Amino acid sequence: AQSVAQPEDQVNVAEGNPLTVKCTYSVSGNPYLFWYVQYPNRGLQFLLKYITGDNLVKGSYGFEAEFNKSQTSFHLKKPSALVSDSALYFCAVRDSANDYKLSFGAGTTVTVRA
Amino acid sequence: KAGVTQTPRYLIKTRGQQVTLSCSPISGHRSVSWYQQTPGQGLQFLFEYFSETQRNKGNFPGRFSGRQFSNSRSEMNVSTLELGDSALYLCASSREGGGASTDTQYFGPGTRLTVL
Repeated sequence: AQSVAQPEDQVNVAEGNPLTVKCTYSVSGNPYLFWYVQYPNRGLQFLLKYITGDNLVKGSYGFEAEFNKSQTSFHLKKPSALVSDSALYFCAVRDSANDYKLSFGAGTTVTVRA
Repeated sequence: KAGVTQTPRYLIKTRGQQVTLSCSPISGHRSVSWYQQTPGQGLQFLFEYFSETQRNKGNFPGRFSGRQFSNSRSEMNVSTLELGDSALYLCASSREGGGASTDTQYFGPGTRLTVL
């Protein structure tokens, strides 16, 4: 069985400070990992994905994520957070052992204060 | 290129009724997946359609069904609505889906269903 855990329900940071949203995964096969962001009353927007290759993945809006196989983690990062980054963030994983279904974490609410 | 569109955006129904939701994928995308989002259960996979065939299914009762048309547009139907079906229903499209594990799903804005 595959699963994704986002250990923090909420993350609060000041504008201009680094932002990290944590994600750990558990899959039987090779993990394919995704990050999405959801603004109020909107659908999910794709930020970035890790398939293979370089462990540091760069995505939209200045976000990046680091794949760590030994720690089974895929944390989302942004060097300098903006108030407009305040939203709900989802980590998702897909693997061959689960017929490539996309499984989502519970989500982390990020609040960036001015 | 236009994104994924879903209609209607908001819907209010009463228990026992049925509802049909519509999703138009991004042009050129052949896979459509449906998800239910609730505060308590989070995002849960309903099913995936590819080339008019259901390719994958989540753990939902048979009251939830779907179909896909030759133009890749998809509909989702919920019969005999229950209060617990109140949720945001999200549709996502991707080029190939299914076995193309690296494929990215792009989401529509969702349909907010309220069951009274």
